[in-house]
Amino acid sequence: DAGVIQSPRHEVTEMGQEVTLRCKPISGHDYLFWYRQTMMRGLELLIYFNNNVPIDDSGMPEDRFSAKMPNASFSTLKIQPSEPRDSAVYFCASSLAGADLRYEQFFGPGTRLTVL
Amino acid sequence: DAKTTQPPSMDCAEGRAANLPCNHSTISGNEYVYWYRQIHSQGPQYIIHGLKNNETNEMASLIITEDRKSSTLILPHATLRDTAVYYCIVRVQTGGSYIPTFGRGTSLIVHP
Repeated sequence: DAGVIQSPRHEVTEMGQEVTLRCKPISGHDYLFWYRQTMMRGLELLIYFNNNVPIDDSGMPEDRFSAKMPNASFSTLKIQPSEPRDSAVYFCASSLAGADLRYEQFFGPGTRLTVL
Repeated sequence: DAKTTQPPSMDCAEGRAANLPCNHSTISGNEYVYWYRQIHSQGPQYIIHGLKNNETNEMASLIITEDRKSSTLILPHATLRDTAVYYCIVRVQTGGSYIPTFGRGTSLIVHP
């Protein structure tokens, strides 16, 4: 398996533009997570899905952020409009959930977003 | 929800054992302790997890105290490639599911 795949790896955009980040989880995993990492705030969970259904989006900073998972092999995180404070590395992760909820998360390589 | 406390930084000589401590004094009986690490510019990587018994795998050993209020991750023979930020996590129940919350972690520097 190729692991969790994210695209693009780097994105530079101007304030006000729409940004779409993409993630392909590991095949067979039923949980998908979106994280954001900055120097100031560390690694923050934004939202996670179970079987394509959003379970908890309390970490999404504001209405400019939205995430979808139309099928088991694809998810997007969209920022519209983008702002300079959205500059960060965005990670996608996926995992299985065992019968006793023991699991490990597999992280993608991340997308480094710079908003000018 | 259980929280963890880790020293912000540590250093270790190459070839020596690196012992990374973690306090989780409010851990519940059914909460697991997980360790991840993040090498610069990469996504976090799972290392090991445990409930109450000591665990060992090809990467590291995890020692959990009998009262489960603290644990130690041991890298038996640290190499330069082990330089990374190490996160100790206690699974936190959120909305019926168990989701790990990453703190600041310990920045481990392995020097020659």
